Amino acid sequence: RKEVEQDPGPFNVPEGATVAFNCTYSNSASQSFFWYRQDCRKEPKLLMSVYSSGNEDGRFTAQLNRASQYISLLIRDSKLSDSATYLCVVSPGDGTYKYIFGTGTRLKVLA
Amino acid sequence: DGGITQSPKYLFRKEGQNVTLSCEQNLNHDAMYWYRQDPGQGLRLIYYSQIVNDFQKGDIAEGYSVSREKKESFPLTVTSAQKNPTAFYLCASSLSVAAWLAGGRGEQFFGPGTRLTVL
Repeated sequence: RKEVEQDPGPFNVPEGATVAFNCTYSNSASQSFFWYRQDCRKEPKLLMSVYSSGNEDGRFTAQLNRASQYISLLIRDSKLSDSATYLCVVSPGDGTYKYIFGTGTRLKVLA
Repeated sequence: DGGITQSPKYLFRKEGQNVTLSCEQNLNHDAMYWYRQDPGQGLRLIYYSQIVNDFQKGDIAEGYSVSREKKESFPLTVTSAQKNPTAFYLCASSLSVAAWLAGGRGEQFFGPGTRLTVL
């Protein structure tokens, strides 16, 4: 089993739709969780950090379920500009400086 | 503006040649990282450094070398021993673990990347 798993997609959704991605992780001791956005041939950019049960930033909501070991990202009112690959990143928080990256979920928002 | 810079943006290497990728940050971060990304794959850690003059191997360090002589700089050398170096190389930085555990932010911030192609 991979340490961090994501559905690769692509998720094709119409503008204005709500879409959700899940990410599962295997290390139950993981402490910190992040969602990054990566555009084609660009570097990942931090979208949201998830430190407790979850948080919200505008149209984006991230939630953490420690019991089931997954985090989710919900995007409401999708825009064309949301089209990108979304990377789930997990850190054990044990001082090893190790960040484990999922392979990403590709989202295409259609006009 | 604070940030991470990488150069060059594109790099072409001939067989048997060593090349060095530059990474500089002015975020005053203690920790710096090098990742490699291949098409359709996640980021894989090559090396990381928690403090000046110290660095550790990541998951795929073979064929690569680094140095950390200054806090701001973490160059990566791709040696001729790396058999398949064509990839997108990303440098990142973050606060130290001590700052993180003290309530700071543990996020990594990335440079714009270097695309290396072997001719």
